[in-house]
Amino acid sequence: QITLKESGPTLVKPTQTLTLTCTFSGFSLSTSGVGVGWIRQPPGKALEWLALIYWDDDKRYSPSLKSRLTITKDTSKNQVVLTMTNMDPVDTATYYCAHAVVAADDAFDIWGQGTMVTVSS
Amino acid sequence: DIQMTQSPSSLSASVGDRVTITCRASQSISSYLNWYQQKPGKAPKLLIYAASSLQSGVPSRFSGSGSGTDFTLTISSLQPEDFATYYCQQSYSTLPFTFGPGTKVDIK
Repeated sequence: QITLKESGPTLVKPTQTLTLTCTFSGFSLSTSGVGVGWIRQPPGKALEWLALIYWDDDKRYSPSLKSRLTITKDTSKNQVVLTMTNMDPVDTATYYCAHAVVAADDAFDIWGQGTMVTVSS
Repeated sequence: DIQMTQSPSSLSASVGDRVTITCRASQSISSYLNWYQQKPGKAPKLLIYAASSLQSGVPSRFSGSGSGTDFTLTISSLQPEDFATYYCQQSYSTLPFTFGPGTKVDIK
């Protein structure tokens, strides 16, 4: 059974760097065809795709946020970390990590519960 | 970016109704189109991938069709647990893999 869980601060100040950790079980990120992505959702708004890292360490970023995002994986710890620099109140959102399968066109088939991050001074 | 639009933005329907939601891409995305269901306070759930492939465990009343720029999600007979917001997402080669704005389905 695949599970994912996001962890990180619930409150960050403007200009600070956000670090979120996705801890997963039930699969290995060294297995061919597997990825883990990050998606966010501001309160009452739609989903926004942020980044995706694959088993072979290929990394994809949203072009509009690429300068602020870094995604890394630690296969031995079953974790994926997303950092976002220069946080702003508009970055207030629920952040989700999710399991992706290349064979399913990179669709996110299993999601974490999400973690709410508020950006405020 | 590839822009995704959905119509309608919301709809009211009754249990047993046939419901169709449309998603349109700003350029051709072949069949790289996924559908998700999200209930309030919950994470999205994958329903359909590759435009028409039903995700394991998803009821057969859900179906998807389309290719190129125009896609549809159909619920053949709406059930009480289907009242939710539905999002399409393109996963073609162009980043980001954008989501549509969502369609809220509520009870008439």
